[in-house]
Amino acid sequence: EVQLVESGGGLVKPGGSLRLSCAASGFTFSSYSMNWVRQAPGKGLEWVSSISSSSSYIYYADSVKGRFTISRDNAKNSLYLQMNSLRAEDTAVYYCARLQYDFDYWGQGTLVTVSS
Amino acid sequence: QSVLTQPPSVSAAPGQKVTISCSGSSSNIGNNYVSWYQQLPGTAPKLLIYENNKRPSGIPDRFSGSKSGTSATLGITGLQTGDEADYYCGTWDSSLSAGRVFGGGTKLTVL
Repeated sequence: EVQLVESGGGLVKPGGSLRLSCAASGFTFSSYSMNWVRQAPGKGLEWVSSISSSSSYIYYADSVKGRFTISRDNAKNSLYLQMNSLRAEDTAVYYCARLQYDFDYWGQGTLVTVSS
Repeated sequence: QSVLTQPPSVSAAPGQKVTISCSGSSSNIGNNYVSWYQQLPGTAPKLLIYENNKRPSGIPDRFSGSKSGTSATLGITGLQTGDEADYYCGTWDSSLSAGRVFGGGTKLTVL
């Protein structure tokens, strides 16, 4: 069974940093591109970042470019999102999602709250 | 403001049919596959439709998708109370650094 479990969310002050993790199981993690998608409270979905299976290709939404860094460790079946210079508008539930023909599996999400 | 435009809400009675529209442009829907996601309250999104009209394993054929030009439509027949959820369309955008784009979401109410 495919499972994606996010962790690392929490309360952080504006300008602070946080590192999210996504632990994958039930599939060959190293064969799939992975993504982060976020959802602000009461709002819609916003794609954040994408990383290819071997980390050769990395993409970011303009809203996070230069502040967030996506990475992965295929040996540990894990995906990461390093978030720096956090702003109030980064407050959201962050989901990791596997990309096969589409975002076919999603984690349960981890809440990031940026507030003083 | 979302790149893809969806109606904020739709409603219908149990057993009826409903459609949800998703409008975009040539840089996204016009030249890419469209997907649809269902998000039940308090849960993560779930893939319903991919590549315009394909259903993942386990998704009932009450759910269907279509695309024409720069618009796409999700159809749900035989509505059930358990279908009450938010529905999102999504696709890739070919414009500079646009990446993956989603609609603003449509709240389905089964009356």
